Amino acid sequence: DAKTTQPPSMDCAEGRAANLPCNHSTISGNEYVYWYRQIHSQGPQYIIHGLKNNETNEMASLIITEDRKSSTLILPHATLRDTAVYYCIVRGTTSGTYKYIFGTGTRLKVLA
Amino acid sequence: DTGVSQNPRHKITKRGQNVTFRCDPISEHNRLYWYRQTLGQGPEFLTYFQNEAQLEKSRLLSDRFSAERPKGSFSTLEIQRTEQGDSAMYLCASSLASGLDGYTFGSGTRLTVV
Repeated sequence: DAKTTQPPSMDCAEGRAANLPCNHSTISGNEYVYWYRQIHSQGPQYIIHGLKNNETNEMASLIITEDRKSSTLILPHATLRDTAVYYCIVRGTTSGTYKYIFGTGTRLKVLA
Repeated sequence: DTGVSQNPRHKITKRGQNVTFRCDPISEHNRLYWYRQTLGQGPEFLTYFQNEAQLEKSRLLSDRFSAERPKGSFSTLEIQRTEQGDSAMYLCASSLASGLDGYTFGSGTRLTVV
């Protein structure tokens, strides 16, 4: 079973920030938080990952709470192309914990 | 390198037939993963390889399913005696050994069993 819970859907106005929450209350100390997105009929695309510090790259920012029990993916200026299903995944670094266990994700719709 | 390549993109087969899918990972990636995805669900883990060794298999991978990665490069996933319930998108991904920088997924093979 997935170790994360996400809202099933969200809407966001084009040009505004999209904030996608994820709960991972049972995360272990050596487990990373990864975010992927999947646009219809394509394979998932890596966005960002983090352990405990906030992270930023050209696509998004990842904010992880101090207790690491939840995180938020921020798309700073959402465009119509960001409409996709977003998956939050917790992944370990030891044998048997490498694989991703996907949940059903959050379907983000960016509105014009 | 153009990423992870999967062939064919689409496959329609009759129930009871065997099918084989191919995945070509990014050349320097020594881990390779297979996932299956049905409509409205997230991808489900099937199996993964480190080089040519198959290190983990999901219980979803019944006896009718077999995966190989003979020389640690490309991989094949075979389904024997296909059933309608096998209809799904089959996704392949690859990563470096640590996997910490994330996986690169292919575009998948969509299987329809009629």
